[in-house]
Amino acid sequence: QVQLQESGPGLVKPSQTLSLTCTVSSGSISSGRYSWNWIRQPAGKGLEWIGRFYASGSTNYNPSLKSRLTISVDTSKNQFSLQLSSMTAADTAVYYCAIDRGRWGAFDTWGQGTMVTVSS
Amino acid sequence: DIQMTQSPSSLSASVGDRVTITCRASQNINNFLNWYQQKPGKAPKLLIYAASSLQSGVPSRFSGSGSGTDFTLTISSLQPEDFATYYCQQSYSTPFFGGGTKVEIK
Repeated sequence: QVQLQESGPGLVKPSQTLSLTCTVSSGSISSGRYSWNWIRQPAGKGLEWIGRFYASGSTNYNPSLKSRLTISVDTSKNQFSLQLSSMTAADTAVYYCAIDRGRWGAFDTWGQGTMVTVSS
Repeated sequence: DIQMTQSPSSLSASVGDRVTITCRASQNINNFLNWYQQKPGKAPKLLIYAASSLQSGVPSRFSGSGSGTDFTLTISSLQPEDFATYYCQQSYSTPFFGGGTKVEIK
């Protein structure tokens, strides 16, 4: 059973860059045709897809975040990462990593989420 | 972007009730529609993929239907553990979630 665990700073200052890591256990980040995704949720609000990395090496980003976003992978550590620059209070949210392992674009496995607050 | 509109945004129901939640896409998404359940403080859980396919381990009281632009999630007999927020998500293009439907105890 593949498991995901997010890690990163809980507090980021405005204008700084957020760096989060998702560690994959009981499975290889290099295997299959999976996509490895980041999704966020502001408190009391809905879900927003941020972007994804494919094991093939390609990435897709939410157009609304594309100019500030980088998703990368470290296969040696079985991790993938998110970097979001120029953080503002609007980026305060719980950030989840999730896997899509099928052909229907459904996120079947999620991490527990990590809360990120943007504040000075 | 393909927008997803869920209705209602909230509903009150009793244990044993049949509950229906709808999701409408702003354009044709064939059957690239998924449903999730989220409980407070927890990550979402996949219930239905491809509009009508039940995810492994999900109780059969959950079902999905629809194609094109109009979709439905039905809970045939609401159980105490089903009180939660439900989201639809289109995967036809850039993934986009509906605004959610909170199912509360009547």
